[in-house]
Amino acid sequence: KNEVEQSPQNLTAQEGEFITINCSYSVGISALHWLQQHPGGGIVSLFMLSSGKKKHGRLIATINIQEKHSSLHITASHPRDSAVYICAALTGNQFYFGTGTSLTVIP
Amino acid sequence: NAGVTQTPKFQVLKTGQSMTLQCAQDMNHNSMYWYRQDPGMGLRLIYYSASEGTTDKGEVPNGYNVSRLNKREFSLRLESAAPSQTSVYFCASLLELAGNEQFFGPGTRLTVL
Repeated sequence: KNEVEQSPQNLTAQEGEFITINCSYSVGISALHWLQQHPGGGIVSLFMLSSGKKKHGRLIATINIQEKHSSLHITASHPRDSAVYICAALTGNQFYFGTGTSLTVIP
Repeated sequence: NAGVTQTPKFQVLKTGQSMTLQCAQDMNHNSMYWYRQDPGMGLRLIYYSASEGTTDKGEVPNGYNVSRLNKREFSLRLESAAPSQTSVYFCASLLELAGNEQFFGPGTRLTVL
C-alpha cells in the first residue's frame, strides 16, 4: 500500500478549464510538497505547505491536516500546464511520493 | 548558481558492469537524496544523506552504495548492474530553511542490458 495516493491518474482538460488534482496520505507528515515534472523529465518544486493554502499565479495548493488531504488547483488552464504533477509527503527526513497525475490541456 | 547537477545524463551498461552516478549541489544544502523513478511508480528513495559524513538507507537500497564525499557531492554506485536497475535516477537536495523544499537534478537515464 502506498502511503501517498493521487487522483486522478490521468486528466485531460480543455484550455481555460479549472483543474483539481487530489492527494491523500496515510502517514503523519510535517509538510506536503507539490512538484511538476515536465515532458522532458525535469522536476521542479511548485509548493511546500504544512497548513492552509498557498497561491502562485494560476496555481493554488491547499492542505487539510486533519483529513490528511491536499489539493492542487489550476485556474484558467493552458496547454503549457501539460505535465505530470506529483505530491510528496515529508515524514522525518524522508519524502513519500505519489505516482503522479498526468495532465493534458488541449487548446 | 547551477543548482543540482548530475552526470551522466544517459548511460547503457551490460549486466555485471559497475558505474558511479555523480551529483553535486552549489546551494550549501545539508541533505541530499538519490531516487529512482520507474513507470507507474512514484519516486522511490534509494539512499539519503542528512549531513556530510552520514548516509542512510531508503526504501530500495539493495544493489547500491553511496558516498557523501563532502557537503556538495553525493555519489551513487552500482557495483554489479542488473536489468532491474534500469530506471531514471534523480538526485535532490533539501533547503531546510525555506519550508523543506527539494531541488532536483535533471536525472540520469540508465539502461542495463
